[in-house]
Amino acid sequence: GEDVEQSLFLSVREGDSSVINCTYTDSSSTYLYWYKQEPGAGLQLLTYIFSNMDMKQDQRLTVLLNKKDKHLSLRIADTQTGDSAIYFCAETKDTGRRALTFGSGTRLQVQP
Amino acid sequence: DTEVTQTPKHLVMGMTNKKSLKCEQHMGHRAMYWYKQKAKKPPELMFVYSYEKLSINESVPSRFSPECPNSSLLNLHLHALQPEDSALYLCASSLQGANEKLFFGSGTQLSVL
Repeated sequence: GEDVEQSLFLSVREGDSSVINCTYTDSSSTYLYWYKQEPGAGLQLLTYIFSNMDMKQDQRLTVLLNKKDKHLSLRIADTQTGDSAIYFCAETKDTGRRALTFGSGTRLQVQP
Repeated sequence: DTEVTQTPKHLVMGMTNKKSLKCEQHMGHRAMYWYKQKAKKPPELMFVYSYEKLSINESVPSRFSPECPNSSLLNLHLHALQPEDSALYLCASSLQGANEKLFFGSGTQLSVL
C-alpha cells in the first residue's frame, strides 16, 4: 500500500539484532501492527501498538513509534534462523476505511 | 480454538469452472475478511463482513462472490475467473471490527489455467 512504506530486504547474522522500519503517511492512524509471513503461509500477528504509546516490548520484540515522523520500527533481539520471513507493518484508523492497510513487506534473511 | 481454518489449501481451476473457497472460525469473532495476495506483494482487501452483513467491497469483480452463511463461516464463490486471478486468498477474522487484531488463516493457493 502506498500509504505505508517499508524497505524490501534486510539480512542479518544469527544472534544479531534486526530492525525493520516502516513509515506511514496518515496521522489519523490509530493502531499499528506487525505481522509475520513465512513462505506459503498466512499472516501471524506478532505485536501491535496504539498510537498513544511510544514503545512496547514483548519478549524479543520491541516496537518503537515516533508519531512526529510517522515512523514505526520492529526490533528483534537475538535473531534466529526461524525469524526468516516477510514482515508487514499495517495500520488502521478510527474513521473512514476501517480495515487494515499493509505495507509492502520486508524480507528478513537470517544467516547462520 | 484460536484458529482460522481455510479449505482447500490448494486449488487449480479452469476459466469456465465454478468453485468455492471456505473459511471457518470458532473464536466468536463477528468480523470476517477476504484478502488477495499476489506473489511478493502485500495482501489486498477484497471484502469485509461485519455481523454477517457485507460492509466493505473493494470494487471486486463480480466473478468473485462472497457469502457469510453464519457468524462462523465465510465463503468465496468463484466463477469464470481469469489467469490473473491466480493468487493466495487469505481469510481473516477479528472480534468486532477492523480496529482489532486480525487472525489469518493459512490461505488457499489458487491457480487459474
